[in-house]
Amino acid sequence: EAGVTQSPTHLIKTRGQQATLRCSPISGHTSVYWYQQALGLGLQFLLWYDEGEERNRGNFPPRFSGRQFPNYSSELNVNALELEDSALYLCASSFMGQGANEQYFGPGTRLTVT
Amino acid sequence: AQKITQTQPGMFVQEKEAVTLDCTYDTSDPSYGLFWYKQPSSGEMIFLIYQGSYDQQNATEGRYSLNFQKARKSANLVISASQLGDSAMYFCAMRDSTDKLIFGTGTRLQVFP
Repeated sequence: EAGVTQSPTHLIKTRGQQATLRCSPISGHTSVYWYQQALGLGLQFLLWYDEGEERNRGNFPPRFSGRQFPNYSSELNVNALELEDSALYLCASSFMGQGANEQYFGPGTRLTVT
Repeated sequence: AQKITQTQPGMFVQEKEAVTLDCTYDTSDPSYGLFWYKQPSSGEMIFLIYQGSYDQQNATEGRYSLNFQKARKSANLVISASQLGDSAMYFCAMRDSTDKLIFGTGTRLQVFP
């Protein structure tokens, strides 16, 4: 069974530009989560989508947005990029049911803003 | 506020020895879940083990076990018989009432021969 996939692996942008990151969840998973991991730091929750709707968002400005498509894949958009947006962006998926509902992570997209 | 604290920035352990990675949490929710993830240098987060707040028994998964002490709000990860491939960052996380994961700052484990 294929795991969570993310594209691109690396993305280099300049300040002020927009970045689009993509995530495909594990087959059967309806929830997608986005996290930001700045260098040397833990993961910070960004966004959660389930069944096409935004369920929760972390403490990030509105220029971080996203959406979930009917096939449950998701896109994270970051507008007006700033230098401090440079980070590893991790996507995770889970199945919302009884039990652990553990989140399975993709390999991440490393965004560099120059 | 919900919070995860990992007080060990780095740990060293010799191959084949056991090691305990500390994690304490703070929440007022009666129902929560605790997770441990491993992050190798490649960056991918690998799910290791889960403990539910109502689980009576400590969770175990192969060489990983979770020492859950609810009254002390601790959820330490124990890795038995360490292997060189265990060298990585380890993150403790808690699923809060809104279903998002709150992560600690991580512990870098280095296993030496």
